[in-house]
Amino acid sequence: DTEVTQTPKHLVMGMTNKKSLKCEQHMGHRAMYWYKQKAKKPPELMFVYSYEKLSINESVPSRFSPECPNSSLLNLHLHALQPEDSALYLCASTEEGGTEAFFGQGTRLTVV
Amino acid sequence: AQKVTQAQTEISVVEKEDVTLDCVYETRDTTYYLFWYKQPPSGELVFLIRRNSFDEQNEISGRYSWNFQKSTSSFNFTITASQVVDSAVYFCALSDFSGGYNKLIFGAGTRLAVHP
Repeated sequence: DTEVTQTPKHLVMGMTNKKSLKCEQHMGHRAMYWYKQKAKKPPELMFVYSYEKLSINESVPSRFSPECPNSSLLNLHLHALQPEDSALYLCASTEEGGTEAFFGQGTRLTVV
Repeated sequence: AQKVTQAQTEISVVEKEDVTLDCVYETRDTTYYLFWYKQPPSGELVFLIRRNSFDEQNEISGRYSWNFQKSTSSFNFTITASQVVDSAVYFCALSDFSGGYNKLIFGAGTRLAVHP
């Protein structure tokens, strides 16, 4: 199983809503990542988790709150987002010290 | 600074044409990895190839081939006899381990349209 599964695939939320994005992998990878990709732009790193601990936060606003409940699961909690946060949110995983990142299909988020 | 440049924003070809996607990178690291990813309209990033800085051998996989040249800091990607299914955005990426983790630095991407 070389899949990274993200749910939901599409999400529309209001600026006062609270929602969560979910990412799951069963490859035994110990590093998991959130990337944000705006339209017609490349992905940009948001967070890195290693062994379920937050290792890197690329100065992401606090309205994005990541969580890693176990080694297979990564969540991104969203609260009070702005329309400019509309983007494709991609999850990825790698083996410990690994270089090949496996990406999910992403969640297309629209904030209205 | 770590940087990846894909100068071609969009390329349009007719099926069966060969097409080369250019990638130029900058890094201060002596050990690094380069990647190509394909992003079809569905959104997922599909891994195509990884190359480490010590291996300058060119690689061929079916209709895909890659030319890595450290002297010019380039890692170009050629699709031979292109097909409509090759239509996608292609990203070249460079590994950045400065934070202790594999952060991918992506180029801006090249949108390839293959017409029947």
